[in-house]
Amino acid sequence: AQTVTQSQPEMSVQEAETVTLSCTYDTSESNYYLFWYKQPPSRQMILVIRQEAYKQQNATENRFSVNFQKAAKSFSLKISDSQLGDTAMYFCAFIFLYNQGGKLIFGQGTELSVKP
Amino acid sequence: DTGVSQDPRHKITKRGQNVTFRCDPISEHNRLYWYRQTLGQGPEFLTYFQNEAQLEKSRLLSDRFSAERPKGSFSTLEIQRTEQGDSAMYLCASSPDRGKDGGIGEQFFGPGTRLTVL
Repeated sequence: AQTVTQSQPEMSVQEAETVTLSCTYDTSESNYYLFWYKQPPSRQMILVIRQEAYKQQNATENRFSVNFQKAAKSFSLKISDSQLGDTAMYFCAFIFLYNQGGKLIFGQGTELSVKP
Repeated sequence: DTGVSQDPRHKITKRGQNVTFRCDPISEHNRLYWYRQTLGQGPEFLTYFQNEAQLEKSRLLSDRFSAERPKGSFSTLEIQRTEQGDSAMYLCASSPDRGKDGGIGEQFFGPGTRLTVL
């Protein structure tokens, strides 16, 4: 069975500082994707960043970057220059490809608070 | 707004009643997903459609749950004889077959329907 674990239920960071959210996963699959999703309070979930397992280079999207360690099955998210608008629940998610599609498997989430 | 929409946004019902939720995906997306999210947890997969075909159902989807996507456009999720344990946020997502880079299509989420069963 595939599982995703986020061991930090809550985190806080000062505005303009850097914060890293942790995620580990377990799978025997070799062809999969990893994602970080953001769910602001009372708003819908949006994709922050994605990583394809066969790519060794870590993905980067503006202030967001990942540290993907495939052998360790670790996928952490680094947020640089944190902004108040980054306050949200962050979910790590995994999808492996089968048939013609795939279902997302989510972790429990990390609630991030950015403080002024 | 051309994003995923869900209706209603909130539903309060009494135990034993039937409820139906609707999801309208992004128009060009062939794939549609339903997830359930309880307070403080990540979403859990319920079921998935490719056009009008329901390709997978989770074991979480008991006999009281049924989902349809009759013409491959909007989808409905019905819960019969609701129980208090059904209280949750029900999320719908849609995706294209492939992403712009040819890889997996990104799932875009709707705002969800929050169900409260009294």
